[in-house]
Amino acid sequence: KQEVTQIPAALSVPEGENLVLNCSFTDSAIYNLQWFRQDPGKGLTSLLLIQSSQREQTSGRLNASLDKSSGRSTLYIAASQPGDSATYLCAFPPAGAGSYQLTFGKGTKLSVIP
Amino acid sequence: NAGVMQNPRHLVRRRGQEARLRCSPMKGHSHVYWYRQLPEEGLKFMVYLQKENIIDESGMPKERFSAEFPKEGPSILRIQQVVRGDSAAYFCASSPWDTQYFGPGTRLTVL
Repeated sequence: KQEVTQIPAALSVPEGENLVLNCSFTDSAIYNLQWFRQDPGKGLTSLLLIQSSQREQTSGRLNASLDKSSGRSTLYIAASQPGDSATYLCAFPPAGAGSYQLTFGKGTKLSVIP
Repeated sequence: NAGVMQNPRHLVRRRGQEARLRCSPMKGHSHVYWYRQLPEEGLKFMVYLQKENIIDESGMPKERFSAEFPKEGPSILRIQQVVRGDSAAYFCASSPWDTQYFGPGTRLTVL
């Protein structure tokens, strides 16, 4: 059974800092991996999708990397802003399941202090 | 193009009552997925539907839970005889093919 771990569970940083969020998984046979942000009462927003053949994806101040061999993905946020405060989730469809069946970590709750 | 809509946003039920959660997919999306997020847990896949068909319900509890996506109207997740353990946030997602777009969720509280 695929296990997903996100560390840390919570993180508080001052505005302007660069930070890294981690996602670990036990089975390296995954199709792709997505990072979402979850805002209270607003559902989930997809941030980045990395295909299994890719090593990283970038969007603005966000950069996500994927290392299947070590079972790790990281989300790098540059020059953090108070508006980045949210819970960040990693998710992927595990091998053997339908590609639509996303498995989620419990998330990292980020607070950016002005 | 409005996003995925879910209603109600908050639902309170007493033990033994029925809960009906509605999900209207984005325009042009024919695939709907339901996920459940229990307190302090990650989202868990429940069911995948296309119009008038249940494609995969492997994540759905075997009893009391059912889902449908009729030809017309929203997708419905129905929970009969709710128990306190059903208290959770229920998220719906829709997709035109593979990328899933999530709704704001319905927070169900069972008293």
